[in-house]
Amino acid sequence: AQTVTQSQPEMSVQEAETVTLSCTYDTSESDYYLFWYKQPPSRQMILVIRQEAYKQQNATENRFSVNFQKAAKSFSLKISDSQLGDAAMYFCASSLQGAQKLVFGQGTRLTINP
Amino acid sequence: NAGVMQNPRHLVRRRGQEARLRCSPMKGHSHVYWYRQLPEEGLKFMVYLQKENIIDESGMPKERFSAEFPKEGPSILRIQQVVRGDSAAYFCASSPNRISGVNYGYTFGSGTRLTVV
Repeated sequence: AQTVTQSQPEMSVQEAETVTLSCTYDTSESDYYLFWYKQPPSRQMILVIRQEAYKQQNATENRFSVNFQKAAKSFSLKISDSQLGDAAMYFCASSLQGAQKLVFGQGTRLTINP
Repeated sequence: NAGVMQNPRHLVRRRGQEARLRCSPMKGHSHVYWYRQLPEEGLKFMVYLQKENIIDESGMPKERFSAEFPKEGPSILRIQQVVRGDSAAYFCASSPNRISGVNYGYTFGSGTRLTVV
């Protein structure tokens, strides 16, 4: 069975600085996908970044990047130049190759201090 | 191009009543997923549907819960005889037909918050 663990219930960062959110997962499969979703107070889930497990290169999307360590089953999210609009719950998720179901972690609440 | 539309946004039901949650996928999307989020928790998968077919219902409670995605109209998540423990946010997501096996993530709606009193 897949599991996803986010060990940081809350994080805070000063505006314009960099913050890293942690995520570990467990799966016996070799092919899978990893995601970070953002949930602002509006409640809508927004896809931030996606990583394919067979790709060694870390995914990046503008100020968002990941550190994917397959052997350690770690998938952290780095947010550079934090902005007030980045304040939200962040969820790490995984899915297996061939499956559309996502397994989510418990979430990390990110606060941006002005 | 409207996103995934869920209604109602908020729903209050008394114990024992029925709750019907609606989800209209993005235009061109034929796959629908329902997730439940309890307070301060992550989303939990409930069911995956294509038009007129249930593909994976491994996350659906065995009783009182059902889902459909008819040929015409929105997908419906139905909860019969609601209990307090059903209070949660219910999210719908949709995706287009995909290259087999590849998961690009999907587009979520804003959710329906169900409160059972």
